[in-house]
Amino acid sequence: DTAVSQTPKYLVTQMGNDKSIKCEQNLGHDTMYWYKQDSKKFLKIMFSYNNKELIINETVPNRFSPKSPDKAHLNLHINSLELGDSAVYFCASSQVGGSLYEQYFGPGTRLTVT
Amino acid sequence: GNSVTQMEGPVTLSEEAFLTINCTYTATGYPSLFWYVQYPGEGLQLLLKATKADDKGSNKGFEATYRKETTSFHLEKGSVQVSDSAVYFCALRTQGGSEKLVFGKGTKLTVNP
Repeated sequence: DTAVSQTPKYLVTQMGNDKSIKCEQNLGHDTMYWYKQDSKKFLKIMFSYNNKELIINETVPNRFSPKSPDKAHLNLHINSLELGDSAVYFCASSQVGGSLYEQYFGPGTRLTVT
Repeated sequence: GNSVTQMEGPVTLSEEAFLTINCTYTATGYPSLFWYVQYPGEGLQLLLKATKADDKGSNKGFEATYRKETTSFHLEKGSVQVSDSAVYFCALRTQGGSEKLVFGKGTKLTVNP
């Protein structure tokens, strides 16, 4: 079973469109994250949710809106897509406060905005 | 603030060569330190970690020692294989209420047969 899954794996869309990326984890973790990896492989956190509550919002444009319907899911909705949004988006999960702190990453969603 | 600095890549080695990827950090307090690896087309996987000064993390022949005096966590492997070709990320875990990972920029390693 896949621990952290994301859909879709690839997303190609035009500027101005609205799109969503879904993430699910079956590890029973209480915290989920969204990261953005740019073309130079630089990885930066965007959001973090703990038990469905937003705890980290790293100055991401408000066109990006995460939603956590339950602690196993964290979706990312992006409005009015721009060229600069093209990147690979990774979802991750962890059990905060656990002695074996580790973030488990999904396979990534490659978003291309044309 | 918290930051991680890794050596610039890419790094190209021949099989069985010795590998060192330098990593230094800036942080308040005593962060936990990690190395993650990203194989082509995949997400990141934890490679090893260290939670306090002088701890040595090790996995799959890779090692890194948490050096508080030099604020470093350099990754080493004595004999690399073609299958080690990947991007390696050094990261620290911040302390406090909103735990998060701060990553270095990644170092791409290519191992040739």
